[in-house]
Amino acid sequence: NAGVTQTPKFQVLKTGQSMTLQCAQDMNHEYMSWYRQDPGMGLRLIHYSVGAGITDQGEVPNGYNVSRSTTEDFPLRLLSAAPSQTSVYFCASKYVSGAQYNEQFFGPGTRLTVL
Amino acid sequence: AQSVTQLDSHVSVSEGTPVLLRCNYSSSYSPSLFWYVQHPNKGLQLLLKYTSAATLVKGINGFEAEFKKSETSFHLTKPSAHMSDAAEYFCVVSGLSGGYNKLIFGAGTRLAVHP
Repeated sequence: NAGVTQTPKFQVLKTGQSMTLQCAQDMNHEYMSWYRQDPGMGLRLIHYSVGAGITDQGEVPNGYNVSRSTTEDFPLRLLSAAPSQTSVYFCASKYVSGAQYNEQFFGPGTRLTVL
Repeated sequence: AQSVTQLDSHVSVSEGTPVLLRCNYSSSYSPSLFWYVQHPNKGLQLLLKYTSAATLVKGINGFEAEFKKSETSFHLTKPSAHMSDAAEYFCVVSGLSGGYNKLIFGAGTRLAVHP
């Protein structure tokens, strides 16, 4: 079991460039989510999905797009990167059944710098 | 709406002394509460969770937390700190939004352990 995997580990972009952060899980979890982590602010939810074909916005969705075509994959797209998107990004997943009590499993993170 | 406040951004202890990381929460219904730990440049790992079964919750690595409804608190403790406990700790409440469960993170407490 690889758990939750993320690629790349590090990325540097110039303002205006686009890129996709990849996330995959092999635990057959219905729920997947993306967070960003900024100093002193904990983790904030960007987008989430409760199953293939179903996505919704979180707390800070602006500038990010997601899609969920399979249970395993949940990519995060930055269409036109801005310096304010410099952050560490975490993908997480969990079972939906009994959702309130379920542990979320986190990936190792992607450290993104936008110049 | 749910929220969580970690009362200390930094805590410093000596090895072998007790650890206390404080967390207060706000929830309009009976909450699920979690503590996660993040070691430097790593992802997040679940320490323990409260799901209303017992107010004193034991987690991994000797940590435990007590749910106190009257004080709306969920403080994390450990009797004797180890050097390997140096990390950032997040108190998390599980909330509902748009009919689906989401995690709401505190800002984090960075624990330093000195020899």
